[in-house]
Amino acid sequence: DQQVKQNSPSLSVQEGRISILNCDYTNSMFDYFLWYKKYPAEGPTFLISISSIKDKNEDGRFTVFLNKSAKHLSLHIVPSQPGDSAVYFCAADARNTDKLIFGTGTRLQVFP
Amino acid sequence: GAGVSQSPRYKVAKRGQDVALRCDPISGHVSLFWYQQALGQGPEFLTYFQNEAQLDKSGLPSDRFFAERPEGSVSTLKIQRTQQEDSAVYLCASRRAPMTEAFFGQGTRLTVV
Repeated sequence: DQQVKQNSPSLSVQEGRISILNCDYTNSMFDYFLWYKKYPAEGPTFLISISSIKDKNEDGRFTVFLNKSAKHLSLHIVPSQPGDSAVYFCAADARNTDKLIFGTGTRLQVFP
Repeated sequence: GAGVSQSPRYKVAKRGQDVALRCDPISGHVSLFWYQQALGQGPEFLTYFQNEAQLDKSGLPSDRFFAERPEGSVSTLKIQRTQQEDSAVYLCASRRAPMTEAFFGQGTRLTVV
């Protein structure tokens, strides 16, 4: 039972354009969401998060949007840079369990 | 140290051997998580501690897996009688409080031959 789903295993974007990574979840108890970036042979690194009381959070080139009614969140990266090429994971957390659940990841490739 | 530290980085075990993986969380972080990541997959939850209390171990795949955090700081994940399907990267993460970001170590890549 995959509670957090990233249906696109890969995404290829030209440098300077917008990258949009999507994530869907099934558990309505989730109330905190995070995006992580992972390079090969390294642990995931935190990018940005959003609480369920918000529908948008920005940090520089990264913006996360949350649509609670659709149980959907997305990460926008603009402008995309070659150094953004990595695997991106979304994760969800529920206040009553304190257990981070991860999606399967989307591999982003930004080409010049 | 400033970050989450895991050791060893790489471990090759013969089938049937016991292994112990260590995690040093960020000082003062209350929550500690263990995840298993197979190739091409996302991190799969194994178990979670709040201080020394193991609050959830629902993700441990079998009774060959055991985790402890006796003093609420360093944690050890032990796998007994390793099998080939145990081959994966084992990730440890810690965070200071619920609903905050978790910080990951670099992981331990376990290969069972």
